[in-house]
Amino acid sequence: GAGVSQTPSNKVTEKGKYVELRCDPISGHTALYWYRQSLGQGPEFLIYFQGTGAADDSGLPNDRFFAVRPEGSVSTLKIQRTERGDSAVYLCASSFSQGNEQFFGPGTRLTVL
Amino acid sequence: AQSVTQLGSHVSVSEGALVLLRCNYSSSVPPYLFWYVQYPNQGLQLLLKYTSAATLVKGINGFEAEFKKSETSFHLTKPSAHMSDAAEYFCAVSDRRAGGTSYGKLTFGQGTILTVHP
Repeated sequence: GAGVSQTPSNKVTEKGKYVELRCDPISGHTALYWYRQSLGQGPEFLIYFQGTGAADDSGLPNDRFFAVRPEGSVSTLKIQRTERGDSAVYLCASSFSQGNEQFFGPGTRLTVL
Repeated sequence: AQSVTQLGSHVSVSEGALVLLRCNYSSSVPPYLFWYVQYPNQGLQLLLKYTSAATLVKGINGFEAEFKKSETSFHLTKPSAHMSDAAEYFCAVSDRRAGGTSYGKLTFGQGTILTVHP
């Protein structure tokens, strides 16, 4: 079956612009996670959804970052006023429910010039 | 807060040699522990996980890891390396909820790049 998909695979933007990154989880998975992986680092947790609600957003670095999952399936990570430091690979993962094995997408590589 | 330390950002072995990738965690309560592998331009793939049953956990592709509470370690091993094992490996932890299930949110180590020489 289809795995977790993320679009776009690559995004290049200019400092100060707004970007949206999309995640399509595995069908039927109620839990969805966003992580950010900077060069040479392990993934860092950003936010976790159980259904439509954000159960834990403690990893969002500041109020320029926001994520939604309005219908409990697809999620969008939104970054306002991008900064060069936001450049990273943004990973999405989904699981059948909280605590089950997480399946990761291939990531979106964001480059802020 | 949980933390994970992977000793050695790069490990190089010869094909057929033992693979040992080290991982230590900080937690007063044994967490859930995971090893993930990341091949170039691919998503993270789960190799194995420790949940609280057997301390020696067997995973895919011949890998295994042993949970040692006294050492707060969860080192990954494979008896004989293959060229196809070359990748980056991440150790991760997840807090254990009061009921014993995983909280879900993962904290990752910085990763170890494994190189396998012919």
